[in-house]
Amino acid sequence: SQQGEEDPQALSIQEGENATMNCSYKTSINNLQWYRQNSGRGLVHLILIRSNEREKHSGRLRVTLDTSKKSSSLLITASRAADTASYFCATVFTGFQKLVFGTGTRLLVSP
Amino acid sequence: DAGVIQSPRHEVTEMGQEVTLRCKPISGHDYLFWYRQTMMRGLELLIYFNNNVPIDDSGMPEDRFSAKMPNASFSTLKIQPSEPRDSAVYFCASSPGTGGNQPQHFGDGTRLSIL
Repeated sequence: SQQGEEDPQALSIQEGENATMNCSYKTSINNLQWYRQNSGRGLVHLILIRSNEREKHSGRLRVTLDTSKKSSSLLITASRAADTASYFCATVFTGFQKLVFGTGTRLLVSP
Repeated sequence: DAGVIQSPRHEVTEMGQEVTLRCKPISGHDYLFWYRQTMMRGLELLIYFNNNVPIDDSGMPEDRFSAKMPNASFSTLKIQPSEPRDSAVYFCASSPGTGGNQPQHFGDGTRLSIL
């Protein structure tokens, strides 16, 4: 399967702490995206990072990409209860035109 | 700016019945995607369209599933006959491009339960 693997599957932290989620994949990619899904809702795009980029920031979010290790990480700094959601990485593999979503990380941020 | 609109939000029906899910993409988006999400298999791409033309339907599980896009503002996913294993959340998404160069915008999904 080309599906990305995310680690950890679940993460529970306190408000104010940082949360780090990791995504690994198996073949070369064009781009990698991160999405958030709140319970009962659709996915919301967070960040897109291209294969020639190593790091991107958006507000409290920081994404890194290491193509040599075929892995990416999403860091949420100073987490809030509202960050409670599932987070998915999605990759576009070289030679393909569609996103393949990972298994997701469930993040619980307690007040 | 309205997002992707899906209807119905919930559907409960008996095995063997026909089910039709509807999607209105964001105006101006050339690509439309249908996904299915289950606990066991995660989020799977079923089919996607470019300019109303189906491009890749390799994810459609079997002939009981069909999808159409008669115009740029409307798409349907039909299951006939439905089976309990079709129970899942079905998402529609649209984007102005593909190949991972553009983010996809998702609707809130249709939660389908086949009894």
